Amino acid sequence: AQKITQTQPGMFVQEKEAVTLDCTYDTSDPSYGLFWYKQPSSGEMIFLIYQGSYDQQNATEGRYSLNFQKARKSANLVISASQLGDSAMYFCALRPSNFGNEKLTFGTGTRLTIIP
Amino acid sequence: DGGITQSPKYLFRKEGQNVTLSCEQNLNHDAMYWYRQDPGQGLRLIYYSQIVNDFQKGDIAEGYSVSREKKESFPLTVTSAQKNPTAFYLCASSIEDNTDTQYFGPGTRLTVL
Repeated sequence: AQKITQTQPGMFVQEKEAVTLDCTYDTSDPSYGLFWYKQPSSGEMIFLIYQGSYDQQNATEGRYSLNFQKARKSANLVISASQLGDSAMYFCALRPSNFGNEKLTFGTGTRLTIIP
Repeated sequence: DGGITQSPKYLFRKEGQNVTLSCEQNLNHDAMYWYRQDPGQGLRLIYYSQIVNDFQKGDIAEGYSVSREKKESFPLTVTSAQKNPTAFYLCASSIEDNTDTQYFGPGTRLTVL
């Protein structure tokens, strides 16, 4: 069984500061993918960044980067130079990579609020 | 523009009625998914389909039904058997590549009166 844990229900961060959103996971699959999504108040889930379990380097995508520590089973999202538009819910998700199993397991999310 | 559309955005239904939520994609993705989101929670998988005319139950399929007659369309029917249907419903699609990233539509908020 897969499990995602996001221990920070809410965070407040000053504009322009960097922020780290925590995500730990549990899986017995040797190969898997980790995803981060952003959900603004409109409700749509926006894909941010992907990390494969065998990727040698941490993923980066613009202001988003993933601090992937495989031995600790953590995949924290780092947002640099936060902006007011970053205020949203953020979800970490896990998917096994074995063929035929595209099911995503989501965490309960972290609500990020950027303060001007 | 390529993307996923869901309609309607808001839906109200009386108890005991079936209702169908629409999901269409023009991304040429093979796989499509339906998730349910309740307040303060993550998403839970209802059904998914990897190819036309085939679909599998997710974690919470009871009280729901789907069809996949066309690659572009994956409608979800919420039946009267679903005991707590009030929720936010999200449709997603993905293409088989090295990441299988799922992309989501804007969602439908269903309220049972």
